[in-house]
Amino acid sequence: QQQVKQSPQSLIVQKGGISIINCAYENTAFDYFPWYQQFPGKGPALLIAIRPDVSEKKEGRFTISFNKSAKQFSLHIMDSQPGDSATYFCAAWGGSNYKLTFGKGTLLTVNP
Amino acid sequence: DVKVTQSSRYLVKRTGEKVFLECVQDMDHENMFWYRQDPGLGLRLIYFSYDVKMKEKGDIPEGYSVSREKKERFSLILESASTNQTSMYLCASSLPGQGGSTQYFGPGTRLTVL
Repeated sequence: QQQVKQSPQSLIVQKGGISIINCAYENTAFDYFPWYQQFPGKGPALLIAIRPDVSEKKEGRFTISFNKSAKQFSLHIMDSQPGDSATYFCAAWGGSNYKLTFGKGTLLTVNP
Repeated sequence: DVKVTQSSRYLVKRTGEKVFLECVQDMDHENMFWYRQDPGLGLRLIYFSYDVKMKEKGDIPEGYSVSREKKERFSLILESASTNQTSMYLCASSLPGQGGSTQYFGPGTRLTVL
């Protein structure tokens, strides 16, 4: 059972464009929603995260939008750059669960 | 900075061999995890440990075992490697409780089983 669904699987954006990756979750016990960024040959690293008591969080060019009623959240990358080319994973974490539940990932390619 | 290191970046083994993947973290984290990463399947949890000598199965434990004799070290063992275990293996660690919401990953070991 896939508890976090991520789309699209891959995304190609031109330099300067907006990249949008969407995730949906099922378990209402989740209370923390991080995004991880993974460059080729590296492990994933925390990029930005949000808790469900806010609808939006912005850090530089990266913004998470959160819709609690729809159980959806998304990552927006403004002014996308070739250096943003990476795989992005959304995740969800909740309660006493020791585990993060990850989406399947989105391979983002930003063309120069 | 938290550092999670994995013993090998690339490993090539033969079918039937016993394979050990080692992971060490230097931040005194209680929780440690082993994932495998395959194209289109994302990160799948194999095993995790929330204390020394404690372990719990993740989503895909079949064909794997783990060992945690010291807090900083978490080993993944393939008792008899098979070709379908060719994959990227990622180790991660985290603090307990609310701190567990952030995991720190190692660089990964790309294992090829011939």
